[in-house]
Amino acid sequence: EPEVTQTPSHQVTQMGQEVILRCVPISNHLYFYWYRQILGQKVEFLVSFYNNEISEKSEIFDDQFSVERPDGSNFTLKIRSTKLEDSAMYFCASSVETGNEQYFGPGTRLTVT
Amino acid sequence: RKEVEQDPGPFNVPEGATVAFNCTYSNSASQSFFWYRQDCRKEPKLLMSVYSSGNEDGRFTAQLNRASQYISLLIRDSKLSDSATYLCVVPTSGTYKYIFGTGTRLKVLA
Repeated sequence: EPEVTQTPSHQVTQMGQEVILRCVPISNHLYFYWYRQILGQKVEFLVSFYNNEISEKSEIFDDQFSVERPDGSNFTLKIRSTKLEDSAMYFCASSVETGNEQYFGPGTRLTVT
Repeated sequence: RKEVEQDPGPFNVPEGATVAFNCTYSNSASQSFFWYRQDCRKEPKLLMSVYSSGNEDGRFTAQLNRASQYISLLIRDSKLSDSATYLCVVPTSGTYKYIFGTGTRLKVLA
């Protein structure tokens, strides 16, 4: 069964450093998403991506964040200058169509020290 | 009203019990609704989709009440393995954004 994959599973970084989180969505899916979940809190939408551009972003997704689909398979989230409050689980998801079922990757746990 | 609202629980039920959770949503134009299951520190996993009035899959039944703007999830014959957090997810109509509820925590007790 096709699945979304994410790397790394855990990333530890120092405040102010740049991190890139990687995702490989399901191959026939067209819509890609990033979510964040701070420990003990709800899953929060960050951004959606379709046809090589951002289709929607939340207030959380400020200038420190960017997304890219550098090739036909990878979908990345970059945080330019990490802050302590960026520590969270980051989930990538994909769907065939917007409004349809989303399938999630296993997540990357980001720890900013 | 919050966009998607759930009772956080926890709901503690004995094995074999039937339990139901509700989720209310604010956007009356929403067309699709989803229940996901999330285990501790794991990714949300799709449990059920609701596009019309309801859906049933084995012990799980989801129902939609458009007039009152809520969806429900019923779990029959609860198993220990059903212990998890159940997330209600509603795509916002006309956007590319999915809104998650806070989740309802279920503990099934032996």
